[in-house]
Amino acid sequence: QVQLQESGPGLVKPSETLSLTCTVSGVSISSYYWTWIRQPPGKGLDWIGYIFYTGSTNYNPSLQNRVTISIDTSKNQFSLKLNSVTAADTAVYYCARVENAGMQNFDYWGQGTLVTVSS
Amino acid sequence: DIQMTQSPSSLSASAGDRVTIICRASQSISSFLNWYQQKTGKAPKLLIYGASSLQSGVPSRFSGSGSGTDFTLTISSLQPEDFATYFCQQSYSTPTFGGGTKVEIK
Repeated sequence: QVQLQESGPGLVKPSETLSLTCTVSGVSISSYYWTWIRQPPGKGLDWIGYIFYTGSTNYNPSLQNRVTISIDTSKNQFSLKLNSVTAADTAVYYCARVENAGMQNFDYWGQGTLVTVSS
Repeated sequence: DIQMTQSPSSLSASAGDRVTIICRASQSISSFLNWYQQKTGKAPKLLIYGASSLQSGVPSRFSGSGSGTDFTLTISSLQPEDFATYFCQQSYSTPTFGGGTKVEIK
């Protein structure tokens, strides 16, 4: 079955770079689009961006100047980098599969990982 | 950005009740609307895509309708496992989510 697992540091200092990796199992990463979504504690969901196996990306304009999503098809992984973080970037970060590129519906999700921005 | 507004923000209901959640878009999004269920401490789960298509494995008591700017999620007979928070999400442009509707036990 399809499974996604986020990994990376749970604590990042202000102004530094948040880095997370999503490891995909049960399906080839080359078959779908893949996305990152975050949820600040007690709040709603924010879409960060997506990537296709070709390396084609699309980012939320509100984060575009700080975010990079990359993919490693040999490891069946994709990654998120968010630079110049502030406390406002504290959130649970989820990776997910985009079931249909046109519909942008997210059918499989990782369990989420809490990243806290604090000195 | 297209703004998504859900109502109510919370509701109390009993098992067996019919529950309706509304989602309004700030501009027309055709049928590019998805619904998710999220339980505390868990990742969201896709329920409905394309405004009215039931995701595989989701019970038939869940249904979605609407197009343009106004959408509804209906749970025909609320079950104990349905107490959760529900989010709508538009995919007409840069994806955005509604603020959520928390369904609580009455």
